Amino acid sequence: NAGVTQTPKFQVLKTGQSMTLQCAQDMNHNSMYWYRQDPGMGLRLIYYSASEGTTDKGEVPNGYNVSRLNKREFSLRLESAAPSQTSVYFCASSEMGGAGTEAFFGQGTRLTVV
Amino acid sequence: QKEVEQNSGPLSVPEGAIASLNCTYSDRGSQSFFWYRQYSGKSPELIMFIYSNGDKEDGRFTAQLNKASQYVSLLIRDSQPSDSATYLCAVNSYDKVIFGPGTSLSVIP
Repeated sequence: NAGVTQTPKFQVLKTGQSMTLQCAQDMNHNSMYWYRQDPGMGLRLIYYSASEGTTDKGEVPNGYNVSRLNKREFSLRLESAAPSQTSVYFCASSEMGGAGTEAFFGQGTRLTVV
Repeated sequence: QKEVEQNSGPLSVPEGAIASLNCTYSDRGSQSFFWYRQYSGKSPELIMFIYSNGDKEDGRFTAQLNKASQYVSLLIRDSQPSDSATYLCAVNSYDKVIFGPGTSLSVIP
């Protein structure tokens, strides 16, 4: 049972490069999320998708775009990477958006922008 | 004011003691509250959730919720070195889940 799968696990980018982080879940969850985690900052919500076909901004959306490709997949794109985007990125999913159900997390992507 | 606040710690307790972790939130409409544990370099994992005012116990863990005070806490009884981790408080806000900054707990043998 894979749960939430993120790719890649590690990535180094040069400033200005673009990349897409992929996330897929096999639990038939409606809601999916992208968070970033920096030391001492907890998990900050970048974007989320409460259901297939919808996406909404979270706390820190600037510099990112997302696509809910289908119910299983939710990708995060950095169009022009900046050193401030160096972070650990987590994808998560839950059965219903914010309705009290557990969020399941992927293993994280450690991104370094130089 | 941040939506979810926690003492950042680090919190150090001796083995066998009670660890008390606190969390406050700003959205009075929040209905669901979660505690996640995160070991260094790993993903967060859910350890408790609570919806109603009062206490909820699960083994050595007790979650406490006071909606009037907008306060959630987690008590860990008989703390073990394996409990050393960062504990993240999370609150649902409408259709999304917002996390606090986390409290680092260290249990000293």
